[in-house]
This record gives sequence, structure tokens and C-alpha cells, in this order.
Amino acid sequence: GAVVSQHPSWVICKSGTSVKIECRSLDFQATTMFWYRQFPKQSLMLMATSNEGSKATYEQGVEKDKFLINHASLTLSTLTVTSAHPEDSSFYICSASGTSDSYEQYFGPGTRLTVT
Amino acid sequence: GESVGLHLPTLSVQEGDNSIINCAYSNSASDYFIWYKQESGKGPQFIIDIRSNMDKRQGQRVTVLLNKTVKHLSLQIAATQPGDSAVYFCAENDWAFQNFVFGPGTRLSVLP
Repeated sequence: GAVVSQHPSWVICKSGTSVKIECRSLDFQATTMFWYRQFPKQSLMLMATSNEGSKATYEQGVEKDKFLINHASLTLSTLTVTSAHPEDSSFYICSASGTSDSYEQYFGPGTRLTVT
Repeated sequence: GESVGLHLPTLSVQEGDNSIINCAYSNSASDYFIWYKQESGKGPQFIIDIRSNMDKRQGQRVTVLLNKTVKHLSLQIAATQPGDSAVYFCAENDWAFQNFVFGPGTRLSVLP
């Protein structure tokens, strides 16, 4: 089956610093990748959708200058949380879709971000 | 029994009993639905899906029922096991928007 990895699996950073999270599709080419954020005991909330080679589409209320998304290749998307603050502490999950006409999304294991 | 916590409803069932997890969706244009299982600290795991042209689909120990009239989805787990303890999310997809919208989730707790 399709495998999506994320790195790192967890990260602790100081307030004001930036953190980059990688999402990779290991055995398929991901034309579309999605980034979700999940707070404790809550559902996944879509942050942005990115298509390879084009700018990400952000959901309403998500600051594109704070959450930088790059989808430079068909197997890699990155999410950079810039000038992180404690309220950015969350579980960040990516998913990938292999073809533009497929509903199927494959989820990564998630990255736990803690900002101190 | 079933209770509603501050953020996450919880369903407690005895090991060996059947579980039914419910989900109400909001978009009448949604035409594809997935149930995911999420264990603590992990990403969502696909369980079963159903398209809007069906009202029932069965997998191994799981059955999904879709009632489009009342926009309701349910997941039935037969002979619930301790390993089924997790949070279960339904997700709906309107093809025009490509992305999935997730329900609030239900925590399933299996009692010995």
C-alpha cells in the first residue's frame, strides 16, 4: 500500500524560532498533498492544499506567511512554521493523493510540535 | 453507554459486543465517505469507504451504512476487541472541492 512518512515525528522548539516539517510519499507520486492540524481531543482541521509546482491554497483563517508550504517535487512537501509561538503547539498531519482523479488520501504518522 | 465530553464523544462497549459509531454530515453534495481510525499519537488509518450510490458496504468485521436522506453515516464494528480502542472519524468529500472534511470524532473505549 501507499506509504507517507513525516519527519520529524516530534519536535520541541523555542518561541520565535522556525520549524520545518517534511512529508514524503515513499512509493508513489503525490500530485496533491494536504496539511492538517489537530489539537488535543479535536478533529483534523485542514490547513492547506498543495499541488506540485504551484502555490498552496490555504483555508480561511490560516496565515500563509506563518505556515509556509512548499511542494517542490512529486514526493516531497514541506510545512515551515515561522516565528512559532506556544499556541502553534499541535499535531501536524500530512496526507497525499496520488492522482488528480482519485479520492484516496494516504496519511502520514504526524508530527508533534511543542513550542516552549 | 455514550456520553459527550468537552470535545470528544465517547462510546464505551464491552469486549465482544458490537459497536455502532454514528456521524452526521452536513454537505448534501458529498458523494464519498471514509471512516478513519486514529490511535493516540498516530495519523489516521483508513478503515472503510462508501460512495453515495451505495447505502451499505461491508469489510472485515466492519460495516458502513449511509443514509443520504438524513445525511447520516454509521460504522458498525462486530465483536469489538481491545485493539479497536481508538478515536474514529468520519470524513466526507465533495469532489468539487477535492479535500475531505472530518467529523468531530468519537472515542471508542473497549471494556474488558
